[in-house]
Parts: sequence; structure tokens; C-alpha cells
Amino acid sequence: KAGVTQTPRYLIKTRGQQVTLSCSPISGHRSVSWYQQTPGQGLQFLFEYFSETQRNKGNFPGRFSGRQFSNSRSEMNVSTLELGDSALYLCASGEQNTGELFFGEGSRLTVL
Amino acid sequence: GENVEQHPSTLSVQEGDSAVIKCTYSDSASNYFPWYKQELGKRPQLIIDIRSNVGEKKDQRIAVTLNKTAKHFSLHITETQPEDSAVYFCAASPPPSNTGKLIFGQGTTLQVKP
Repeated sequence: KAGVTQTPRYLIKTRGQQVTLSCSPISGHRSVSWYQQTPGQGLQFLFEYFSETQRNKGNFPGRFSGRQFSNSRSEMNVSTLELGDSALYLCASGEQNTGELFFGEGSRLTVL
Repeated sequence: GENVEQHPSTLSVQEGDSAVIKCTYSDSASNYFPWYKQELGKRPQLIIDIRSNVGEKKDQRIAVTLNKTAKHFSLHITETQPEDSAVYFCAASPPPSNTGKLIFGQGTTLQVKP
């Protein structure tokens, strides 16, 4: 089975711009979760999508949004980027029966 | 709110020694507790997990214990090797079960000296 695929792996943006990140989960997994990882705040939950519906949401502002397509691929969008949005954004594919999460390699976003 | 505290933040041991990392969670309804290992520049990888109906679980050199009353769980690594050097994260899954939401601890950087 192929693992979790995230694109792009690296990107640089400037303040005020917006960014879209993509995640393809493990085949057969319908749950996709997104996490933000920073040195100061650690790993923080953004949101989870299951069968095209947002099932859980973390405590991030409305600038952070996501969606999931019928093939379970997910995208997250950050609008009006701020310097503090610089982080590694990790996508996790969820095994429905056990709840185990399998992470992708992440998309490293730098905001200048 | 939901919170997981993890200690210590850094841990240095000699090869062959044991390492213990401890976590405390706040939501007593949490029922799933995974541990992830993240090597530098790599993705977090699940190394062991435990559910609330089990007190201890072992897998070769690693073990996890859970004390539901104290809302406390720990990772034990025996006979440490240099390749065990990494950042370790504990996490707790609040209800409902089997969703993609995990509350992570701040991480422990483990250094195993040859």
C-alpha cells in the first residue's frame, strides 16, 4: 500500500498571501486529519475530515480551512498568511477500526 | 480544555540503559494513548499504543503503562541503542473513539550516547 502523500513538500510565501496544501491518504482510509507542528507549540490539531465532512475542529482561526473530496484526498487552505503560520503541516490518514493515525512527510511552509 | 503534559523535555542516557518518559492527560474520558517517534526531518511514526481497558503493553524493547485513576501513562525503553535517538511524543484521544483528533504532549528529545 502506498503511504500518505503530501504536496508540496516545501513552499515559501509572503505575508497576506494564501496557500493550499494537498494530502492523499492511504487507500481505503476515509479519515484525513491535519496538524500544525512548530518548535514552540508542538503538534496541534487543526481539523479532521471524514467522508467529505468536517468531523472535528481544533482551535485555529477561520483563516485555516479544509475540504475533502469524494476520493478522500484532502486540501487545507490558509488565507491572509501571517509570519506565525510558518510551520510544518502534517496530514494524517486514519484507520477507521483502530483509530491509528499514519502521518505524511509534511509540507513545510515558510512565510516571509 | 484538553491537555497533555509530557516530561522530561530532554533525556540523555548511555547506550544499554533504560529510558522512561511520562505523560499526564486532563480529559478522563480519553480512551486511546499512542506514542510517536519522530526522527530529525522525518514524519512521526507510531511505535506503540494502549487503550483504556489495558494497563500495560509490551513490544520487544518498548512498553507502555497506563494508570487511568491518576490519568497518567508512561513509555519505557529498555536496552537503548543509538538509533533510539529521536523526539518522542505521547498523545491522548478524547472521545468519540477512533477519530483523527489527538492531543499531543510537547515532546521528549531522547539522546542515546554510544
